[in-house]
Amino acid sequence: GEDVEQSLFLSVREGDSSVINCTYTDSSSTYLYWYKQEPGAGLQLLTYIFSNMDMKQDQRLTVLLNKKDKHLSLRIADTQTGDSAIYFCAESADTGRRALTFGSGTRLQVQP
Amino acid sequence: DADVTQTPRNRITKTGKRIMLECSQTKGHDRMYWYRQDPGLGLQLIYYSFDVKDINKGEISDGYSVSRQAQAKFSLSLESAIPNQTALYFCATSGPSTDTQYFGPGTRLTVL
Repeated sequence: GEDVEQSLFLSVREGDSSVINCTYTDSSSTYLYWYKQEPGAGLQLLTYIFSNMDMKQDQRLTVLLNKKDKHLSLRIADTQTGDSAIYFCAESADTGRRALTFGSGTRLQVQP
Repeated sequence: DADVTQTPRNRITKTGKRIMLECSQTKGHDRMYWYRQDPGLGLQLIYYSFDVKDINKGEISDGYSVSRQAQAKFSLSLESAIPNQTALYFCATSGPSTDTQYFGPGTRLTVL
């Protein structure tokens, strides 16, 4: 079955880079996503990468995909206190239900 | 205005009560989903619907039912609420050509 794993917690200082890691098991994943959840809010789509790409950059965000190792990472450059949130990795496999499988989320704490 | 709305945002109820959570979307998407989020866990899929006449069970459908009243509306019911259904519930939608999902703000349900 599909499984997505993330570390639970990451603490960085303001201005540093943050790297949040994710591993997945389904080799048929077509898209991989990063969502952000701020306290009391829903999930906000940050970015996504198609499985035939190995990197995608969007302003301060860089997504790296190692398909061989089934490893996805999200790098946030110049991390700000407003980046403090829970970050979820999710995959979309080529299954009939077209639903996403989510990791348990990584809580990013940015210290001033 | 938000593209995906959920009502109520918060609800406290008692064991054995029937509860309905509602979701509406203005994105014109055919696919709609209900997820449940428990603390420290990712999102688990309860039910999903590809159109008004197509409703499918997800991973944790026991104790829940759904109704797709129209393309834009998808409601989740707990026929007889129990305390372990206390959680944050999210509705999501996605379009025909992508698996990218857009989430509502969530409903926090507490069952006493």
